Amino acid sequence: QKEVEQNSGPLSVPEGAIASLNCTYSDRGSQSFFWYRQYSGKSPELIMFIYSNGDKEDGRFTAQLNKASQYVSLLIRDSQPSDSATYLCAGNYGQNFVFGPGTRLSVLP
Amino acid sequence: DTAVSQTPKYLVTQMGNDKSIKCEQNLGHDTMYWYKQDSKKFLKIMFSYNNKELIINETVPNRFSPKSPDKAHLNLHINSLELGDSAVYFCASSQGPNLGQPQHFGDGTRLSIL
Repeated sequence: QKEVEQNSGPLSVPEGAIASLNCTYSDRGSQSFFWYRQYSGKSPELIMFIYSNGDKEDGRFTAQLNKASQYVSLLIRDSQPSDSATYLCAGNYGQNFVFGPGTRLSVLP
Repeated sequence: DTAVSQTPKYLVTQMGNDKSIKCEQNLGHDTMYWYKQDSKKFLKIMFSYNNKELIINETVPNRFSPKSPDKAHLNLHINSLELGDSAVYFCASSQGPNLGQPQHFGDGTRLSIL
């Protein structure tokens, strides 16, 4: 059973702080990972994807992948109230795609 | 110019009925997916088609039958609807099925069974 695990939260951070979201996966065969943001009642939207070990930065977002430890994280710098949403981690296993249960982030003004 | 569009957006129907949800993408992608998101917000893949061919068929009741008339369309037909089928169904597409191509989601179809 291929699994992607996340802390369901809610994770509360003050506005302007760094929000750190974590994800672990069970299958070392996974090749790539994705972070999606889902606002309540809306569809998931892709924020970032990462294939290689290390960090990948895009604006206020940094994805980190550590294949040896089998975890992926997403850092959101200068968090804004508009970042309040559920963040879904997903792993690709060949042709299959497995989502974690999501972490609810609340950024407090 | 919606990339992945689903219809209908809302579907309220009675137990035992048969219903269909349609999905179309204009991104030129080869691969399309159906996901179910239950009340606990867990997003789970149901089916995937690549160029009209079924490549992923997860453990779902055979009351659910996908159909892909061409690579831009993937429809989902559900027979004999049950209370447990109430969920949001998302269609998605990606450039290809391998190497983790990012997926683009439709707005979802909210299915409620009375």
